[in-house]
Amino acid sequence: EAQVTQNPRYLITVTGKKLTVTCSQNMNHEYMSWYRQDPGLGLRQIYYSMNVEVTDKGDVPEGYKVSRKEKRNFPLILESPSPNQTSLYFCASSSQVTDTQYFGPGTRLTVL
Amino acid sequence: GENVEQHPSTLSVQEGDSAVIKCTYSDSASNYFPWYKQELGKRPQLIIDIRSNVGEKKDQRIAVTLNKTAKHFSLHITETQPEDSAVYFCAASRGGYALNFGKGTSLLVTP
Repeated sequence: EAQVTQNPRYLITVTGKKLTVTCSQNMNHEYMSWYRQDPGLGLRQIYYSMNVEVTDKGDVPEGYKVSRKEKRNFPLILESPSPNQTSLYFCASSSQVTDTQYFGPGTRLTVL
Repeated sequence: GENVEQHPSTLSVQEGDSAVIKCTYSDSASNYFPWYKQELGKRPQLIIDIRSNVGEKKDQRIAVTLNKTAKHFSLHITETQPEDSAVYFCAASRGGYALNFGKGTSLLVTP
């Protein structure tokens, strides 16, 4: 089954404790992105990747890191999480042929 | 960068009526305009999209129109049903890798 998976789905952590949210897709998509969703603000792009080893900042990249060492994986790293990073995070992937972005199930992160 | 404005933020219609959601964008180079539906607690799901070389696209009860000159596009849902209740997001981009989303419209369809 074609899908985008994220782990963990829920995470409660404390300020400053490094964490990684994994994202994987099995559709051989070139493009992958991370978004955060906050009430009243919609979905805002954090980082995107157009292919292996090619990443770029989105609209809200501060406090986040990403890497794209393999085509299928695009982890989101929070080196020192802060409470303002409490949010719902979505990973998405798309093909450069169709542009249609497929979203993962989301990761709800709470930083205390 | 691209700025996408979406209106209204909330919309309530009676079952069977039509619903229209409008978006404007700022980047004249944007060429891809998808619409996503997000039900409570779920991921956004693409319902329809349109490219800049097309003025209108229809899929059963859903249609999207695009006016490149005015830089706005709209989602039209006809014969609304309670299961259409959700949050709808428009987006604009130069390609499928970097979507710029509107802030969403919460649609409520009452029986």
